[in-house]
Amino acid sequence: EAGVVQSPRYKIIEKKQPVAFWCNPISGHNTLYWYLQNLGQGPELLIRYENEEAVDDSQLPKDRFSAERLKGVDSTLKIQPAELGDSAVYLCASSLGPTGSGGINEQFFGPGTRLTVL
Amino acid sequence: RKEVEQDPGPFNVPEGATVAFNCTYSNSASQSFFWYRQDCRKEPKLLMSVYSSGNEDGRFTAQLNRASQYISLLIRDSKLSDSATYLCVALIYNQGGKLIFGQGTELSVKP
Repeated sequence: EAGVVQSPRYKIIEKKQPVAFWCNPISGHNTLYWYLQNLGQGPELLIRYENEEAVDDSQLPKDRFSAERLKGVDSTLKIQPAELGDSAVYLCASSLGPTGSGGINEQFFGPGTRLTVL
Repeated sequence: RKEVEQDPGPFNVPEGATVAFNCTYSNSASQSFFWYRQDCRKEPKLLMSVYSSGNEDGRFTAQLNRASQYISLLIRDSKLSDSATYLCVALIYNQGGKLIFGQGTELSVKP
């Protein structure tokens, strides 16, 4: 079974440029997450989707970050404009349902997109 | 203060050694706990859940002390392949099942 797919794997851009990341979750997984991981730190949740609805976007910097999951399957995370401090790994994860409801519903992570802003 | 804090690394140990990682959490709403493993430049993967009674999976033993808000992971008979970063994770149900990750502890097992 295919895991969580993310593209691109690496992206180098200049500051103030826009950038977009794409994620395709495991088939049948209704819950999708975007995380940010800085070097030497653990992942931090940016946004969680239940199907096409963003149910937790409290950690998403909405002045420059946006996300969508229009058909409740794949998702796109966008940064516009990018800043130097946005350099990090952007991880997408998916689970059958919300983690902790009716079972653990393990989150499976994709390989991430490593963003470098120059 | 971070909600989940771990021992600073790196831990450098010889093959066959026993190594223990400690983790504390500050949010009393945390109700489930996990250890994830993350290899260099790879994604995190679930290693094991942590139960109040303690649980073991082969060479790995996880313990939870709710009174002290403390979690541990013990690795016995370390293998070279155990080299990775170990992330302590708390699940907060009342925030819609939100995972809070610690900063991770790097383990390097040497021959």
